[in-house]
Amino acid sequence: TQLLEQSPQFLSIQEGENLTVYCNSSSVFSSLQWYRQEPGEGPVLLVTVVTGGEVKKLKRLTFQFGDARKDSSLHITAAQPGDTGLYLCAGELSSNYQLIWGAGTKLIIKP
Amino acid sequence: GAVVSQHPSWVICKSGTSVKIECRSLDFQATTMFWYRQFPKQSLMLMATSNEGSKATYEQGVEKDKFLINHASLTLSTLTVTSAHPEDSSFYICSASRREGIDTQYFGPGTRLTVL
Repeated sequence: TQLLEQSPQFLSIQEGENLTVYCNSSSVFSSLQWYRQEPGEGPVLLVTVVTGGEVKKLKRLTFQFGDARKDSSLHITAAQPGDTGLYLCAGELSSNYQLIWGAGTKLIIKP
Repeated sequence: GAVVSQHPSWVICKSGTSVKIECRSLDFQATTMFWYRQFPKQSLMLMATSNEGSKATYEQGVEKDKFLINHASLTLSTLTVTSAHPEDSSFYICSASRREGIDTQYFGPGTRLTVL
């Protein structure tokens, strides 16, 4: 059974603080995607990382793919209330292209 | 581009009735569509994968006779929840990709189903 462990599951911090969300697995992924989901809406793709060691930046969000392509992290600098939402990681298996989903991180940024 | 719509966005029905949810790719042809279920504060759970013109492939534990999936065209897939019960209440999300296998999934906005 392929698992993608995402942590923390819940995080509530003050505006301006930094945070990191982690996704770890024993499986190797051909790519890993990060999504953000608002209540009552579908997930929206933030970024896809493909190469081991790859780092992508999206304004205050920094995404990193592990060298072995088994783990990834999302770092948010100077969090804003608008960053509040459910963040999901999903790894794509190279064997069958199936997406394996993390449990999600519920992020609340307090003004 | 790559917009996916779902209809209805929310539905309330009585126990024992059937509900059909539509998923449409508005500006591209979707060879493959996926149906997910999401309970509150939880991640997405893949229910089934459907390729246009073929029978859907259901994940383990998902009843194919209860959750009927039809992918008759390259822009439309439907999920019918038959004889719905309160435990079927959930947020159902579809996604679509242009090609089978490795390709980006574009997600719909979801459908909130409440069974009374």
